[in-house]
Amino acid sequence: DIQMTQSPSSLSASVGDRVTITCRASQGISTWLAWYQQKPGKAPKLLIYTASTLQSGVPSRFSGSGSGTDFTLTISSLQPEDFATYYCQQANRFPLTFGGGTKVDIK
Amino acid sequence: EVQLLDSGGGLVQPGGSLRLSCVASGFTLSSYAMSWVRQAPGKGLEWVSSITGGGGAPYYADSVKGRFTISRDNSRSTLYLQMSSLRVEDTAIYYCAKAHVSDWLVRDWGQGTLVTVSS
Repeated sequence: DIQMTQSPSSLSASVGDRVTITCRASQGISTWLAWYQQKPGKAPKLLIYTASTLQSGVPSRFSGSGSGTDFTLTISSLQPEDFATYYCQQANRFPLTFGGGTKVDIK
Repeated sequence: EVQLLDSGGGLVQPGGSLRLSCVASGFTLSSYAMSWVRQAPGKGLEWVSSITGGGGAPYYADSVKGRFTISRDNSRSTLYLQMSSLRVEDTAIYYCAKAHVSDWLVRDWGQGTLVTVSS
């Protein structure tokens, strides 16, 4: 199975900060990676797919990069509505696997 | 607009069965791969099962293989998850998830339905 390791598991940041979350795959997954945002009591929401493609309607302050085993989600200027938990997912092969999540809260 | 409406969750005793449904609208179900993903209380996301658009061979997580069955009725625009021999550790919110025509990354999520396995 492909293990997805996210770091950090949590972080505290202020509005306006630049935030970077990383996801490392235990083996190469090309660009078959997505990032999701989840708020308490809500379903996840797609932000980025195929590693760097911004989902329609998602603010441009979100960006994704990487290929192979190392990936990054960047929020260029954190907004109040961005405080949430973020997950990565690989879809290179079954079983599909998710990272453990990164909780972003207010400093 | 894509909509996925999950239903069928509830309280069931260990060893019991339950069938989850996901009614899809806003797209042609038969054209897309679909998955079920679950989230135990306070935990992360866990993939459960997937099926291709044409209803080909399904895929299952080892934790549910032999106990859960994914299926679809494209004429009813509905995805199902038949769960049997349920265990306490199957307690979770179950999300229906729509993938893409050419890959398995989830594009859209249902609102989720809660399954509680407890005596």
